[in-house]
Amino acid sequence: GQQLNQSPQSMFIQEGEDVSMNCTSSSIFNTWLWYKQEPGEGPVLLIALYKAGELTSNGRLTAQFGITRKDSFLNISASIPSDVGIYFCAGQNTPGQAGTALIFGKGTTLSVSS
Amino acid sequence: NAGVTQTPKFQVLKTGQSMTLQCAQDMNHEYMSWYRQDPGMGLRLIHYSVGAGITDQGEVPNGYNVSRSTTEDFPLRLLSAAPSQTSVYFCASSYIAGASTDTQYFGPGTRLTVL
Repeated sequence: GQQLNQSPQSMFIQEGEDVSMNCTSSSIFNTWLWYKQEPGEGPVLLIALYKAGELTSNGRLTAQFGITRKDSFLNISASIPSDVGIYFCAGQNTPGQAGTALIFGKGTTLSVSS
Repeated sequence: NAGVTQTPKFQVLKTGQSMTLQCAQDMNHEYMSWYRQDPGMGLRLIHYSVGAGITDQGEVPNGYNVSRSTTEDFPLRLLSAAPSQTSVYFCASSYIAGASTDTQYFGPGTRLTVL
């Protein structure tokens, strides 16, 4: 089945630094999504990307849908301690049809020291 | 709206016991799904439903049953629990928006331990 390769697996950064993480796939997706998960909680949607080449921001977060539709990246600028968590990318195809499902990357664990 | 709710939050079972994980949403979403999350594995789809009366298997369906008698509820049943089913289980829901996509909203999870 489809798989997403998410990197890096973990990051340890200082408060104020910028962060970049990415996902790649061997096959194309119609939608790329980025989620954040905090301990004991479910994933929460951060950014959704619907078109190849699309660049979308949500506060200090910026994500892009790769032109080839096989990759996406997420940047976090000026990190703060509450950015700590696990960030997941997810790809989705042909929304609305039976069998549609999110394919998740394995996550990037972000640690921020103040 | 309460969003997606899951009960219980924690559960410990003995091997061979059965139980049902509950999931409910109050957003009138057609699509509901169950994922399990294991360390280093991300989230993997167990079963999903595109509407009341319709269910189908995901990536890892073995050992689990589902039913969808109403739009709001999508319970996940473990008929005979095994230690390999120790995991965190997430329910998610979304609209089915035809040609345009929609995003899935996740519940808070059920942490299950099978001894």
